Amino acid sequence: SQKIEQNSEALNIQEGKTATLTCNYTNYSPAYLQWYRQDPGRGPVFLLLIRENEKEKRKERLKVTFDTTLKQSLFHITASQPADSATYLCALDPNAGNMLTFGGGTRLMVKP
Amino acid sequence: KAGVTQTPRYLIKTRGQQVTLSCSPISGHRSVSWYQQTPGQGLQFLFEYFSETQRNKGNFPGRFSGRQFSNSRSEMNVSTLELGDSALYLCASSLESAIYEQYFGPGTRLTVT
Repeated sequence: SQKIEQNSEALNIQEGKTATLTCNYTNYSPAYLQWYRQDPGRGPVFLLLIRENEKEKRKERLKVTFDTTLKQSLFHITASQPADSATYLCALDPNAGNMLTFGGGTRLMVKP
Repeated sequence: KAGVTQTPRYLIKTRGQQVTLSCSPISGHRSVSWYQQTPGQGLQFLFEYFSETQRNKGNFPGRFSGRQFSNSRSEMNVSTLELGDSALYLCASSLESAIYEQYFGPGTRLTVT
C-alpha cells in the first residue's frame, strides 16, 4: 500500500542547532514533493517544493533534499529559533493534479 | 493580495443535518482543493475543482460534495452529518494544475454533536 511516513514523535532541539526532519514514502513515484508548516488552529503554509530531478533546494535557513532512490526527503532548518516551533508536513501529489497526500507531520519544538 | 478566506470559521451542527462551507481563493487562482484534517487521520484530500469542473476526488463517501463558481469561489457540502465528520476543513487554492504550491485558508472547524 502507499504510505508517506514522518516521525510522529516530537523533535526537541536547542535554539541555534540544526533541525532535520525526515519524510519517507513507499509505492509512490512523485514528480515533486512539498513541505508545509502548520501552526495550531491554522492552515498549512507552503515552504518549499522540490522536483524529482533536483537533489537539493534551499530557501534562507531551509534546505530540502530529495532522494528518489531511497524514497526519502530530508528537511533541514539551520540556526533554529523558538519561532520555528510548529508541525512540519511533507506532501506529494501522486497524479500531479493538486491532490496532495500528506504525511502525518512532525512537531518541532525549539527551546531557547 | 488577500489570502484564501473560508466561512464560517466555526460551526456546530447536529447529527443528521447538512452543512455548506465556503471558500474564496486568492485572486487569479483557478484551482481550489478541499481537505479534511482530523487528529486520527491527519490531512486527507477531498476533491479539487478547476474551471468549475471537479477534476479529482478523494476517497470520501458521496455525502461529501462540492462545486465551483465562475469566479473560482467554491463551496463544499456535507449531508447527513455523522459524529466522525467533526474536523477542520481546509480549502487551498493554486494558480493552475500540477506542480504549483497550494495556499491554504484558515479552515472551518466543524463540530457535529
